[in-house]
Amino acid sequence: NAGVTQTPKFRVLKTGQSMTLLCAQDMNHEYMYWYRQDPGMGLRLIHYSVGEGTTAKGEVPDGYNVSRLKKQNFLLGLESAAPSQTSVYFCAGKAGLFTDTQYFGPGTRLTVL
Amino acid sequence: DQQVKQNSPSLSVQEGRISILNCDYTNSMFDYFLWYKKYPAEGPTFLISISSIKDKNEDGRFTVFLNKSAKHLSLHIVPSQPGDSAVYFCAASVTGAQKLVFGQGTRLTINP
Repeated sequence: NAGVTQTPKFRVLKTGQSMTLLCAQDMNHEYMYWYRQDPGMGLRLIHYSVGEGTTAKGEVPDGYNVSRLKKQNFLLGLESAAPSQTSVYFCAGKAGLFTDTQYFGPGTRLTVL
Repeated sequence: DQQVKQNSPSLSVQEGRISILNCDYTNSMFDYFLWYKKYPAEGPTFLISISSIKDKNEDGRFTVFLNKSAKHLSLHIVPSQPGDSAVYFCAASVTGAQKLVFGQGTRLTINP
């Protein structure tokens, strides 16, 4: 039982390059979330999904896209990376409607040069 | 607009003493509150939570207190241990919103 996993753990991009971050979970989470963590800013919600095939914008969605084609996977895409997207990205999931507790993956550290 | 605020970026406490981490919120609609603990290079892990119908919730060495009139919650750790050194985030939610709003985090250091 791996829980919530993220791929890759580290990545360095050049400005303008694209990439996809993968979040996978085997906890049967209905809801999944992508956050970014920046110094002094806490965790800020980028996008989230309330079920397979659904996505919704969070607090800081600009420059990112997401897809949830399968229940167990939630992908975060950067189409044209910018230095302002240098951050640590966390994926999280929660079981369903009647719980607020989210379970986090280990994070992906992204640097955009 | 920061709806959840942790005004102390860092806190240093001696081993064995009490650690008190504070969190303030502005949205009166928040009705569920959580604390997460984060070690370096790891994801946040859930620690303890409290519903707005309670004013205290206890789990071992960890107790969370909620003061709704002051829009303030605190996490007490007694006694503090070296393994408690981490960054602590408070988070809040509104029933039905399906989202958490996090504070900026407080780095707790327990000194031997």
